Amino acid sequence: GEDVEQSLFLSVREGDSSVINCTYTDSSSTYLYWYKQEPGAGLQLLTYIFSNMDMKQDQRLTVLLNKKDKHLSLRIADTQTGDSAIYFCAESIWAGNMLTFGGGTRLMVKP
Amino acid sequence: GAVVSQHPSWVICKSGTSVKIECRSLDFQATTMFWYRQFPKQSLMLMATSNEGSKATYEQGVEKDKFLINHASLTLSTLTVTSAHPEDSSFYICSARPGQPNTEAFFGQGTRLTVV
Repeated sequence: GEDVEQSLFLSVREGDSSVINCTYTDSSSTYLYWYKQEPGAGLQLLTYIFSNMDMKQDQRLTVLLNKKDKHLSLRIADTQTGDSAIYFCAESIWAGNMLTFGGGTRLMVKP
Repeated sequence: GAVVSQHPSWVICKSGTSVKIECRSLDFQATTMFWYRQFPKQSLMLMATSNEGSKATYEQGVEKDKFLINHASLTLSTLTVTSAHPEDSSFYICSARPGQPNTEAFFGQGTRLTVV
């Protein structure tokens, strides 16, 4: 079955850039997502990218996709303490289909 | 934007009782809703997919008689945890997809269930 993997933890200083990485195995993945989950809260969709794109930028967020290596990354520029949360990458075969989530990366931003 | 509301946000119940969680799409009709479960410090795992007017499709390892899903209308799906046990304590979150094909699914805020 599909598998999505992420590193567990990332710590950065406020103002630095954060890069969260994700790998997936399903070559038929068409949509790749990044979600943010703050403590005790639900999921907030940050951004998503279609598999025919290499990069997508949205304000402080940059998503890079290497489809050949099945590698996805999320770069957060000028990381703030409010960015501290768990970040999940997820994939689906088509928009609105069930999502397969990675284990989540806990981002800690130090002042 | 599309809003999905879950109720309750949190619930504590006694072991052996049943708990119903509601997932509502507030400003769109959802032909498909998904139910996920997240154990502490773990990722979200899909439990079941429900389509309005038909039986839910459960993922392997999820007991359909324990986790009853009803999707009786285009704006409401319910998950009932029957005869809850402490090991059912988890964060349950739904997502809903509008009827149009190939559209994004939107997440509710989740329900934290604690069984004591």
